[in-house]
Amino acid sequence: GAGVSQSPRYKVAKRGQDVALRCDPISGHVSLFWYQQALGQGPEFLTYFQNEAQLDKSGLPSDRFFAERPEGSVSTLKIQRTQQEDSAVYLCASSPRGRGQPQHFGDGTRLSIL
Amino acid sequence: TQLLEQSPQFLSIQEGENLTVYCNSSSVFSSLQWYRQEPGEGPVLLVTVVTGGEVKKLKRLTFQFGDARKDSSLHITAAQPGDTGLYLCAGYNSGGSNYKLTFGKGTLLTVNP
Repeated sequence: GAGVSQSPRYKVAKRGQDVALRCDPISGHVSLFWYQQALGQGPEFLTYFQNEAQLDKSGLPSDRFFAERPEGSVSTLKIQRTQQEDSAVYLCASSPRGRGQPQHFGDGTRLSIL
Repeated sequence: TQLLEQSPQFLSIQEGENLTVYCNSSSVFSSLQWYRQEPGEGPVLLVTVVTGGEVKKLKRLTFQFGDARKDSSLHITAAQPGDTGLYLCAGYNSGGSNYKLTFGKGTLLTVNP
């Protein structure tokens, strides 16, 4: 497809389990972003990649959150030892470059921690 | 931290009515974007405003960027049920971190037939 693709769309995990969320950006887009959206809130920035380089990870809530984009295309957001407060929708976005460009969002992964 | 305050948070109106949504900040943004998000989907970009005082129209939607580039508004004329959704404003910081979008909390609009 032509848009940003995220998988899985829904993920249910027990507290303490590790989860991995995948993002497939639009082909050729240099920049990739992860956001966290709590229920009834706007998205909040987590991290930013330019190609394979993670240039900003200031929004990651704790060291349990880890993101990578090893070949500058697909990205994975990993959450270790999940907690209930990690329950949210995780959105991925990409843009042709980074600075000031419109961002194209995927439909997100809804993560529920029991 | 640059914050964007959106108002109202919730809005329920009848088909055919007009409405305005506001997005305010004490900080200057290099550009502001408006998105619409439906349940279970990601935000979809409606418009980007860049120049202070700029007005853009998209069919029945009119977007305005404040002269000082600190605030913006979205006006919908003759709302239709298909306009129902979460409207989000988002701004790019001025300066070195102008890749990071700061979002408001959104305005949840319901247009009743």
